[in-house]
Amino acid sequence: AQSVSQHNHHVILSEAASLELGCNYSYGGTVNLFWYVQYPGQHLQLLLKYFSGDPLVKGIKGFEAEFIKSKFSFNLRKPSVQWSDTAEYFCAVSGATNKLIFGTGTLLAVQP
Amino acid sequence: DTAVSQTPKYLVTQMGNDKSIKCEQNLGHDTMYWYKQDSKKFLKIMFSYNNKELIINETVPNRFSPKSPDKAHLNLHINSLELGDSAVYFCASSTGTSSRQETQYFGPGTRLLVL
Repeated sequence: AQSVSQHNHHVILSEAASLELGCNYSYGGTVNLFWYVQYPGQHLQLLLKYFSGDPLVKGIKGFEAEFIKSKFSFNLRKPSVQWSDTAEYFCAVSGATNKLIFGTGTLLAVQP
Repeated sequence: DTAVSQTPKYLVTQMGNDKSIKCEQNLGHDTMYWYKQDSKKFLKIMFSYNNKELIINETVPNRFSPKSPDKAHLNLHINSLELGDSAVYFCASSTGTSSRQETQYFGPGTRLLVL
């Protein structure tokens, strides 16, 4: 079955700390990978995406993610978080049908 | 300029009522989607339309009926609302080309509360 796992449900960091959020997927065939962010009370916004090519992708607001095919992973990273990064982060995968399958989300709280 | 918009933003209603949520996109996309986000923030696709044609229909109760009058609009009608329908409903759209590499853009969500 197709699925996405985000093992960190809650993450609390201090400002300037480095961030890595885990994402593993189970999907047969070629995949597209996404990270979306949902700020409190707002809609989902695309942070970054991987379709093909360089497995290290850079997104908005200093975020990056690395696709490691052998590990079925697409972890999100940021070297130095800010208070404004407090949000819920969703990893998602799609394939031939373009149906997005989401992970359960990781709630990041950044303390000033 | 709003790319994907939804109305209403909030909807509070009684069990058993029938309600509709509207979605419009001005991105010129051919494909639109409805997702449900439950109280635990889990997001799951419900439906997808490509150029007014239903292409994805997940295991959703038949009380939920999507309607696409044109490719810029995808409305969601819910009959006989139940407590478990309380959730945030997100509309999304993508280009809808034959390419499998599409990015979906989401609307602001409609927060439905069934009492």
